[in-house]
Amino acid sequence: GNSVTQMEGPVTLSEEAFLTINCTYTATGYPSLFWYVQYPGEGLQLLLKATKADDKGSNKGFEATYRKETTSFHLEKGSVQVSDSAVYFCALNFYNTDKLIFGTGTRLQVFP
Amino acid sequence: DTEVTQTPKHLVMGMTNKKSLKCEQHMGHRAMYWYKQKAKKPPELMFVYSYEKLSINESVPSRFSPECPNSSLLNLHLHALQPEDSALYLCASSQASGKFNTGELFFGEGSRLTVL
Repeated sequence: GNSVTQMEGPVTLSEEAFLTINCTYTATGYPSLFWYVQYPGEGLQLLLKATKADDKGSNKGFEATYRKETTSFHLEKGSVQVSDSAVYFCALNFYNTDKLIFGTGTRLQVFP
Repeated sequence: DTEVTQTPKHLVMGMTNKKSLKCEQHMGHRAMYWYKQKAKKPPELMFVYSYEKLSINESVPSRFSPECPNSSLLNLHLHALQPEDSALYLCASSQASGKFNTGELFFGEGSRLTVL
C-alpha cells in the first residue's frame, strides 16, 4: 500500500544550525508530496509541495526535492530559528483521491 | 479570507452527553474534512464531504455523526462517546475534491475534546 516514513524525533538543534528531516515514501504510481507543519496548539499548515519528480518545493527558507529514484522528499533548511520549533509531517496524495496520507511526524526543537 | 474556523476550542463532556463541533470556511472550497489527532500522532481521516455530500467515511463509529448543512459549514455531532475518543478534532477544507484534489488542505486550529 501507500505509506510515508519519517525519521524519529525529536530533532534538537541550536539556532542557525542546518536542518534535515528525512522522509521516504512507498507508492504505486507518482504521488504529489507535501510537508505540513504544526506549531504548538495549532492546526496543520502546508509548508511546501512538489507534484512530480525533480520538482523542488520551497517556502520560508525550507526546501525539499522530489526524488523518484530514492523515493524521498527530505526537508532541509540552512539556518533554523527558535520560531521553527514545531512538528513537521510529510504526506502524499494521489490526484484521484481525497486521502492525504501522513507520516508519523517529526518534532523539531530549536534552542537559542 | 483563508481561514477555517472551529468552535469550540475546548470541550469537556460526559459519556452520556450530546454535543457538537462546528467548522466554517468562506474560501469557496468544495471539500471539507474531519480528522482526529491523538497526542504525538499524525491526523487520522474520519470523514470527507464533497459538494455537501458525504464521500468518505473511514469506518468511524456511529457515535460520531457528521453533517454538512451548506458548502461553508461542517458539523460533527457527538453522542455516547468513550474516554478513548478524547483527542484534537481537526477540520480542513480543500478547493476541489476527487481527481481535482491537489492535496492542499487548509486546517482549522482544532477542537480539543475531553471525554470523562
